Amino acid sequence: GAGVSQSPSNKVTEKGKDVELRCDPISGHTALYWYRQSLGQGLEFLIYFQGNSAPDKSGLPSDRFSAERTGGSVSTLTIQRTQQEDSAVYLCASSKSGTSLSTGELFFGEGSRLTVL
Amino acid sequence: AQSVAQPEDQVNVAEGNPLTVKCTYSVSGNPYLFWYVQYPNRGLQFLLKYITGDNLVKGSYGFEAEFNKSQTSFHLKKPSALVSDSALYFCAVRDLDSNYQLIWGAGTKLIIKP
Repeated sequence: GAGVSQSPSNKVTEKGKDVELRCDPISGHTALYWYRQSLGQGLEFLIYFQGNSAPDKSGLPSDRFSAERTGGSVSTLTIQRTQQEDSAVYLCASSKSGTSLSTGELFFGEGSRLTVL
Repeated sequence: AQSVAQPEDQVNVAEGNPLTVKCTYSVSGNPYLFWYVQYPNRGLQFLLKYITGDNLVKGSYGFEAEFNKSQTSFHLKKPSALVSDSALYFCAVRDLDSNYQLIWGAGTKLIIKP
């Protein structure tokens, strides 16, 4: 499709299990962002990828969270040993270039809703 | 410190009336300002942006926003509200420290009543 694709759309897991969330950005977009949104609240930045540069991981809340982006395209956000406070909607966004916010807006996927029981 | 404030958690407007969703910002340099909308169970969608030029910016779905430098505001407006405008609205400003990050407001829930 033409938009940002995220999977799964919903994930229910038990506390302590690992989960992987996938993001397929728009083709040709070099910048990719992961955000977390809790209960219709604001966006919490997690991680940013730009091309082949080292990612900005400054928003990852703990070492249980990690992300990778293979081949400059698809990204996977992994949460290890999930906790109940990890329950949220995880949003992925891409843009043509992260350093060109003046010319390129962010395109968001519909999110992955994670529920940790 | 750079910041964005959306002072209203929720705004209620009758269908057909004009609507305003407020946003104020604090940055040390020239702001790049954005509005995004989130419909229920959906991702965010870009509405409009102010980079430079005319203070009145027109965007998608009939929305517009006015940049006011003296009041450091970027309020979102629409002359006549539709029930389908009901959604969560986010204001954001470019983070001048990183140049690729957006600093997000907490969001305002807009409810349009028929």
